[in-house]
Amino acid sequence: EAGVVQSPRYKIIEKKQPVAFWCNPISGHNTLYWYLQNLGQGPELLIRYENEEAVDDSQLPKDRFSAERLKGVDSTLKIQPAELGDSAVYLCASSRGLSNTEAFFGQGTRLTVV
Amino acid sequence: AQSVTQPDIHITVSEGASLELRCNYSYGATPYLFWYVQSPGQGLQLLLKYFSGDTLVQGIKGFEAEFKRSQSSFNLRKPSVHWSDAAEYFCAVSGYGGSQGNLIFGKGTKLSVKP
Repeated sequence: EAGVVQSPRYKIIEKKQPVAFWCNPISGHNTLYWYLQNLGQGPELLIRYENEEAVDDSQLPKDRFSAERLKGVDSTLKIQPAELGDSAVYLCASSRGLSNTEAFFGQGTRLTVV
Repeated sequence: AQSVTQPDIHITVSEGASLELRCNYSYGATPYLFWYVQSPGQGLQLLLKYFSGDTLVQGIKGFEAEFKRSQSSFNLRKPSVHWSDAAEYFCAVSGYGGSQGNLIFGKGTKLSVKP
């Protein structure tokens, strides 16, 4: 069984440009999470989806960040425009359901904004 | 608010030596606690978790952790470290009921292993 797949693995962009990250969760996993991991820090939850509904996006900076999960499967996280401080690793995770099911993490997308 | 503290940023141990990584949490109710490992360029892998019951939890790769409510701690241990254990280790607490995906992480402890 394939794990959580994220692409691209690495992305370098100039500030003020837009960028998008893509996540394909494990088949059958209804819950999807996006995390932000700054250098030297632990991951921080940005948004959680139950199927196609964003049920917790309180930590998502909505002025420049957006996310979608059309059809309740793949998800895209977008930043527009990117700032230097957005340089970080963006992790996606998925689980079968909200409670009592392990979350599996993808390898992440490392974003560098120059 | 829930929080997790990992006091040690970086630890170096000799191969074959024992290991203990410290984790303290702040949580209002019964905590659901986790330890994850992250190797360079890799995602997070769950080592073990504590929900309830026996306070000594066994995990993968020979790791174990002990939940001590009186000390608000959930320290990770391994009796004999292997060079392949070099990685970053994160302690986490569930931020929503028993959700295993809605997690609050500590800042991590980087483990280096000397030959």
